[in-house]
Amino acid sequence: AEKVIQVWSTASRQEGEELTLDCSYETSQVLYHLFWYKHLLSGEMVFLIRQTSSSTAKERSGRYSVVFQKSLKSISLIISALQPDDSGKYFCALWEPYDTNAYKVIFGKGTHLHVLP
Amino acid sequence: GGIITQTPKFLIGQEGQKLTLKCQQNFNHDTMYWYRQDSGKGLRLIYYSITENDLQKGDLSEGYDASREKKSSFSLTVTSAQKNEMAVFLCASSPRLGGDAEQFFGPGTRLTVL
Repeated sequence: AEKVIQVWSTASRQEGEELTLDCSYETSQVLYHLFWYKHLLSGEMVFLIRQTSSSTAKERSGRYSVVFQKSLKSISLIISALQPDDSGKYFCALWEPYDTNAYKVIFGKGTHLHVLP
Repeated sequence: GGIITQTPKFLIGQEGQKLTLKCQQNFNHDTMYWYRQDSGKGLRLIYYSITENDLQKGDLSEGYDASREKKSSFSLTVTSAQKNEMAVFLCASSPRLGGDAEQFFGPGTRLTVL
């Protein structure tokens, strides 16, 4: 069974709008981390924002913010004031430890975002 | 800032061939990773290295070898390429092992096996 699920494979919005990308995950660990990355057409994978399971802070980085619903095992990425350059593929990832110096990183399948001018 | 370079950018191989992908980073990061990305799937971890000369298997290590020759470089070897295989291999590095350390990715190597 998939452990990190991004329901939408594609999304389209107009420039200036706000978008929410949803991600759900499964883990039995108490401490884990969730990441959002953007995969550019050039091949580069860019880190956007991180949420630690133990943190209650509402993480924000520029136009990126997250809504973390720990009890629902859900994390959403919100991108405000969309720009055409925001187009790309967005991945949600779960980092969880399973042994000393051993951990798993599990990525979702990604969501293609198209921002229309 | 720093950069991660991966060579080659495109790799075409024959079935059964042994193929090596290289990754270099100048962040001075301790930890490096190799991921595989298949169309329609998320990235999957093949190998990672906590520090120089260390190797740890990921979920997808079967069929691969890795080598951390020095702190700045991490190589991945496909031991026997599978016919019609197509995937992108991404190398990443982070300052340390841990979920609180973001990973920086290279541009990828696109593999096609004829």
